[in-house]
Amino acid sequence: DAKTTQPTSMDCAEGRAANLPCNHSTISGNEYVYWYRQIHSQGPQYIIHGLKNNETNEMASLIITEDRKSSTLILPHATLRDTAVYYCIVRVAGLSGSARQLTFGSGTQLTVLP
Amino acid sequence: EAQVTQNPRYLITVTGKKLTVTCSQNMNHEYMSWYRQDPGLGLRQIYYSMNVEVTDKGDVPEGYKVSRKEKRNFPLILESPSPNQTSLYFCASSSDRVGEKLFFGSGTQLSVL
Repeated sequence: DAKTTQPTSMDCAEGRAANLPCNHSTISGNEYVYWYRQIHSQGPQYIIHGLKNNETNEMASLIITEDRKSSTLILPHATLRDTAVYYCIVRVAGLSGSARQLTFGSGTQLTVLP
Repeated sequence: EAQVTQNPRYLITVTGKKLTVTCSQNMNHEYMSWYRQDPGLGLRQIYYSMNVEVTDKGDVPEGYKVSRKEKRNFPLILESPSPNQTSLYFCASSSDRVGEKLFFGSGTQLSVL
């Protein structure tokens, strides 16, 4: 699976959009981009995933560049409860011969400031 | 409410005393998995199961056992715990068979003295 690079930490003002970048320059054509977050010591929470098109759900939007080498997770109106570590993960979807695990890296610590 | 339930939340034990951490999900998910989380090492998969009676090793299976006799339960067994198994453990399940959209439990903080 392709390796991802994320900033170690970011701050965002409450009520503003939080834009979390992720670089995955070695991504291959059949690899999806997944985002999870982990609020301190709780279990990680799935946010969103996509292949090449931009995706949006009730939690966030995922913008993937045309060359797919990077993506941005957008939380449109950040709240204090969005303070968490955000993980960007790249992985081949589907069976592909075996159940491939999601590899969680170090992620980005997002702190939403009042 | 859809959830993954782990028990206990906290556990302190001594080296060599067998223990079991239970995990149960009420979403009829086929895929279940165990992770451990350690500072500086992130989340690492211990074992996973794609269905009843089907289990396989993850990245760090040594010292652990699992079983999947029923769809909803996936216990993690430490036959002879050692201090290097002190960690925060998470159970997860997924409706897809390869664990793409994982639902995690609240975690079990284990300390082995």
